[in-house]
Amino acid sequence: GEDVEQSLFLSVREGDSSVINCTYTDSSSTYLYWYKQEPGAGLQLLTYIFSNMDMKQDQRLTVLLNKKDKHLSLRIADTQTGDSAIYFCAESMGTDKLIFGTGTRLQVFP
Amino acid sequence: KAGVTQTPRYLIKTRGQQVTLSCSPISGHRSVSWYQQTPGQGLQFLFEYFSETQRNKGNFPGRFSGRQFSNSRSEMNVSTLELGDSALYLCASSWKTGNEETQYFGPGTRLLVL
Repeated sequence: GEDVEQSLFLSVREGDSSVINCTYTDSSSTYLYWYKQEPGAGLQLLTYIFSNMDMKQDQRLTVLLNKKDKHLSLRIADTQTGDSAIYFCAESMGTDKLIFGTGTRLQVFP
Repeated sequence: KAGVTQTPRYLIKTRGQQVTLSCSPISGHRSVSWYQQTPGQGLQFLFEYFSETQRNKGNFPGRFSGRQFSNSRSEMNVSTLELGDSALYLCASSWKTGNEETQYFGPGTRLLVL
């Protein structure tokens, strides 16, 4: 079945690392994504990983994929107040239909 | 390149009316997908169009429909609006290149049904 789960909230201090976790159930997922949504805005694609990869790094962002446990994480290094937003993970099975998680609200405090 | 554009950005309608939302994909993108975002249900897939054909459809009633034009622009229509249709409607466009798959979202159309 299709189900993607995330914890609802995460609060971190500015300068620390943030780790947002996601679990999915469909092992046939081909791509997994992380999107960021700021208040009143659409979704901003942050990064994505192909299912045959374990890790992808893009500047402050590191994505880890554990395909055996169906676990995806997004690590944001040196978290800034501008990183405060809702973060969604999403999976696709090679089509353009994305299954989104519930979103994790990240709050960064000084 | 210009991003995905959606019009209108905000819309207020009353129950029973119908509404048409428009989406212009990024130049060169041929696939357009639509999503509904509500506080209760989160982000849910509506449908996807590629080369004027609907390739995929989510679990929404027949009141929700869409189409894609030859220039890849897409419209979605909701007939006989209900209060529960109040939501942010997001459009995304994509292309696929080898192992890369990127889907970019527009700012959304916020629909309020009274």
